[in-house]
Amino acid sequence: SQTIHQWPATLVQPVGSPLSLECTVEGTSNPNLYWYRQAAGRGLQLLFYSVGIGQISSEVPQNLSASRPQDRQFILSSKKLLLSDSGFYLCAWSRPDSGNTIYFGEGSWLTVV
Amino acid sequence: AQTVTQSQPEMSVQEAETVTLSCTYDTSENNYYLFWYKQPPSRQMILVIRQEAYKQQNATENRFSVNFQKAAKSFSLKISDSQLGDTAMYFCAFRQAGTALIFGKGTTLSVSS
Repeated sequence: SQTIHQWPATLVQPVGSPLSLECTVEGTSNPNLYWYRQAAGRGLQLLFYSVGIGQISSEVPQNLSASRPQDRQFILSSKKLLLSDSGFYLCAWSRPDSGNTIYFGEGSWLTVV
Repeated sequence: AQTVTQSQPEMSVQEAETVTLSCTYDTSENNYYLFWYKQPPSRQMILVIRQEAYKQQNATENRFSVNFQKAAKSFSLKISDSQLGDTAMYFCAFRQAGTALIFGKGTTLSVSS
């Protein structure tokens, strides 16, 4: 069966510090991968999605970037965090066929102080 | 652009009763998919039910069922025999073939004894 893991689960970082959230998927090949952010009391906003290694699409211009160095690894990064980057970040995956269900990881809480 | 609207920020229901959560969406496409996700206090996003737009029959999963009205672009979720464990935020989501999920802002459901 397929599993998705992301880490760290909780992170407290000062303004201006770098960020790296990692996500890996097991049990499938060539998945579509996604990063979503959920601000407090709000819905989910798609940040990035990837259909293959090195292929990243950005949905919202911002202080963050994403990379996919391996088929089942997706990394969310920032060089300098802002207070507004605080939130709950969710990695997700789906099979490459269109319309398939998107499955989510456990999420990472980021607090920028 | 596609949009998803959940007009009920909060709902409450007593155990064993039935509750319906509303969702409307806007798209000009004919081939798409609709989902309801549950987000309990743990914050993990859990798939509740899925509906393909080309299917006329409403999807059901145990106590959960949908009322899919394609012409009206409506996709409501009915929870029967509500249980305390159903307490969560519920998100309606739309996915056009080959794209990422677009979420509504969510409905917080509280089930009381």
